[in-house]
Amino acid sequence: AQSVTQPDIHITVSEGASLELRCNYSYGATPYLFWYVQSPGQGLQLLLKYFSGDTLVQGIKGFEAEFKRSQSSFNLRKPSVHWSDAAEYFCAVKGTGGFKTIFGAGTRLFVKA
Amino acid sequence: DTGVSQDPRHKITKRGQNVTFRCDPISEHNRLYWYRQTLGQGPEFLTYFQNEAQLEKSRLLSDRFSAERPKGSFSTLEIQRTEQGDSAMYLCASSSDGEGTEAFFGQGTRLTVV
Repeated sequence: AQSVTQPDIHITVSEGASLELRCNYSYGATPYLFWYVQSPGQGLQLLLKYFSGDTLVQGIKGFEAEFKRSQSSFNLRKPSVHWSDAAEYFCAVKGTGGFKTIFGAGTRLFVKA
Repeated sequence: DTGVSQDPRHKITKRGQNVTFRCDPISEHNRLYWYRQTLGQGPEFLTYFQNEAQLEKSRLLSDRFSAERPKGSFSTLEIQRTEQGDSAMYLCASSSDGEGTEAFFGQGTRLTVV
């Protein structure tokens, strides 16, 4: 069965510092991978996705993620965090030939001045 | 296109009452999904429609829950005899057909059962 693990429940970084949010997935083959962001009381917005090809994918708002097959990981990064990045971040997986997206429990990002 | 729209945004109801939520997906999307999200958790899959056909229901969806998409456009999610454990954010999403297509989410309906 597909599953997603986000080991960090919450992370605090200083504004301007770099960020890395961890994500590990479980799936028999290479799945489709996504990162979504959710602001309080809002729906989810797609940041980026990986389907195939280049393992480093670029997304919106300056985010990028790297797919590492050997580690079953898809970590999200940003070189310089802004206060407006404070939100909850969800890693998600979708199997090939499948239709439903499975989400991790999320990592809440706090940004301090 | 204004994206996925959900109505109402908030609903407070007394235990035992019935509630119905509506979702209007992105117009050209054939696939529609309902998810439930509780505090501190990621969205959990509830059910999926391909056009008007409901193709999968999670075991999370008890007999008190029913979803429809009568003409393959908007969808409704009804909860009968609500319980306090039903309090959650109910998210609707839609996507186009094809491999690996991403889901676009609405802003959700926050249900509070008192």
